[in-house]
Amino acid sequence: QQQVKQSPQSLIVQKGGISIINCAYENTAFDYFPWYQQFPGKGPALLIAIRPDVSEKKEGRFTISFNKSAKQFSLHIMDSQPGDSATYFCAASMSGANNLFFGTGTRLTVIP
Amino acid sequence: EAQVTQNPRYLITVTGKKLTVTCSQNMNHEYMSWYRQDPGLGLRQIYYSMNVEVTDKGDVPEGYKVSRKEKRNFPLILESPSPNQTSLYFCASSLVRGRSYEQYFGPGTRLTVT
Repeated sequence: QQQVKQSPQSLIVQKGGISIINCAYENTAFDYFPWYQQFPGKGPALLIAIRPDVSEKKEGRFTISFNKSAKQFSLHIMDSQPGDSATYFCAASMSGANNLFFGTGTRLTVIP
Repeated sequence: EAQVTQNPRYLITVTGKKLTVTCSQNMNHEYMSWYRQDPGLGLRQIYYSMNVEVTDKGDVPEGYKVSRKEKRNFPLILESPSPNQTSLYFCASSLVRGRSYEQYFGPGTRLTVT
């Protein structure tokens, strides 16, 4: 059973556009929500992460929006660039535990 | 350079032939984990280890074994590989202390079992 549900499976965005990837979870014990970025032939790497005590976190062009009541969080990539083309995974974990539960991934393609 | 290394990067084998994929990290991390990545299924955890001699099952442990005799190494063992274990495998490590659970991933091992 997938603990974190991610959509869409793939996304094509024009250069300069906004990319939005959504995730939802059921387990209210989750309290750490990272996003990982994976380029072809590489392992995933941490992009940005949020905890439920804030509703938004921004790092450069990347923003996480978090809705605790809806148990949803999303990644927004502003001014998307061809270099952002990669697979993005959302994940969740519980306090005191290192185990991450990953979504199924979104393949983002940014067209020049 | 802080990193997680895996060997081999690519492996083609036959059903039933025992194999080991090695994983090593140089960051003195207590936590290490193995994942498999399959299209449409994302990353699923196979086994993890909180420290030396402490290992536990993840979501998909069937057909795999691990050991943690040294802090830096966490090999994945397939005693009798089957075609359904054809996948992309990642090792990861992280610190246990504190509230940050950033995991550092290796470059992956692509395994094909025929």
